[in-house]
Amino acid sequence: DGGITQSPKYLFRKEGQNVTLSCEQNLNHDAMYWYRQDPGQGLRLIYYSQIVNDFQKGDIAEGYSVSREKKESFPLTVTSAQKNPTAFYLCASSQESNQPQHFGDGTRLSIL
Amino acid sequence: GNSVTQMEGPVTLSEEAFLTINCTYTATGYPSLFWYVQYPGEGLQLLLKATKADDKGSNKGFEATYRKETTSFHLEKGSVQVSDSAVYFCALKTDSWGKLQFGSGTQVVVTP
Repeated sequence: DGGITQSPKYLFRKEGQNVTLSCEQNLNHDAMYWYRQDPGQGLRLIYYSQIVNDFQKGDIAEGYSVSREKKESFPLTVTSAQKNPTAFYLCASSQESNQPQHFGDGTRLSIL
Repeated sequence: GNSVTQMEGPVTLSEEAFLTINCTYTATGYPSLFWYVQYPGEGLQLLLKATKADDKGSNKGFEATYRKETTSFHLEKGSVQVSDSAVYFCALKTDSWGKLQFGSGTQVVVTP
């Protein structure tokens, strides 16, 4: 079945450590997105990519980095510069026009 | 800029009660509007959408009508079930590449 796979489901980070969250889709979608979800705040856009080898900052990009080397993959790195990384991270993809976004099941990141 | 405002939760209802979740928006141009649902520990699932004024989106007994004159997209269901307990997000999209602006979410709790 087509869909979006995020891994791992749970991730723990030590102080000063970078961690990478995986997002893979087999929907043949051009656009991919990373959101951060905090309790009571809805979803905020971190980065998005419309095509391979191109991506743009969203509303809260500081302390994060991404790459888009393949159409299917859009990994997110949470760097040590992100001082408050504890959150639920959601990856999504879509085609252009009025097609809706499809979401993965998320990765919950916590600080050790 | 674009924004989405949802009624605060939690909304607690008895089974078979009528559910309304208010959503209003501010946007330039003519946005597409969406309702997503999130069950505990999972990602978001598209519930319904409307792409132009007066469109009615419907799915699984839920309905919402795109009201341009009141800039609203209220979600309704005539008879809720315990399985409808979840967090509901209203969202809008104004550009063709799918950047979504989310409301803060409304938690719905349905008791037997």
